[in-house]
Amino acid sequence: DGGITQSPKYLFRKEGQNVTLSCEQNLNHDAMYWYRQDPGQGLRLIYYSQIVNDFQKGDIAEGYSVSREKKESFPLTVTSAQKNPTAFYLCASSHRTGNYGYTFGSGTRLTVV
Amino acid sequence: RKEVEQDPGPFNVPEGATVAFNCTYSNSASQSFFWYRQDCRKEPKLLMSVYSSGNEDGRFTAQLNRASQYISLLIRDSKLSDSATYLCVVNDGRGGADGLTFGKGTHLIIQP
Repeated sequence: DGGITQSPKYLFRKEGQNVTLSCEQNLNHDAMYWYRQDPGQGLRLIYYSQIVNDFQKGDIAEGYSVSREKKESFPLTVTSAQKNPTAFYLCASSHRTGNYGYTFGSGTRLTVV
Repeated sequence: RKEVEQDPGPFNVPEGATVAFNCTYSNSASQSFFWYRQDCRKEPKLLMSVYSSGNEDGRFTAQLNRASQYISLLIRDSKLSDSATYLCVVNDGRGGADGLTFGKGTHLIIQP
């Protein structure tokens, strides 16, 4: 079955450490997205990519970086510059226009220890 | 600025009752509309797309009112398992995240 896979499900980061969250999809979707969700809050866009080797910053890109070397993969790195990284991170994908809806991964819960 | 507004709730509803909530959007160029369901500490999952003529899926009915720029979700014979947060998503078809706006969700609690 086609789907979108995020790993790991839970991740613990020490102060000053960079960590990378994985997102892989086999839906043949062109567009991929990273969102952050804090408790009781809506989704906030970090980065998105519509084609390979191209991506754009979202509303809260500071302290994060991404790459899109393959259509199927869109990893997110949370750098030490992100001062408040504890959150639920969601990856999503869609067809280019988004008119057929969005598919989300099961999320990664990141905690700073 | 594009906006999608939802009443955050919570809506506390007895089991078996009918409940409805709306979502208003500001961008008149919006092309496609969706309701997503998000359970606590889980990812959003597509509940249903919303079509211009309205559509029904079992106990769920979605309506679109372009003139007043809102979509609605009606749940009949509510079940305990319907307890979740319901997100409204509006897309203007341009592609990418620029064209996509999420509401912050309506929290629904079905009580036995």
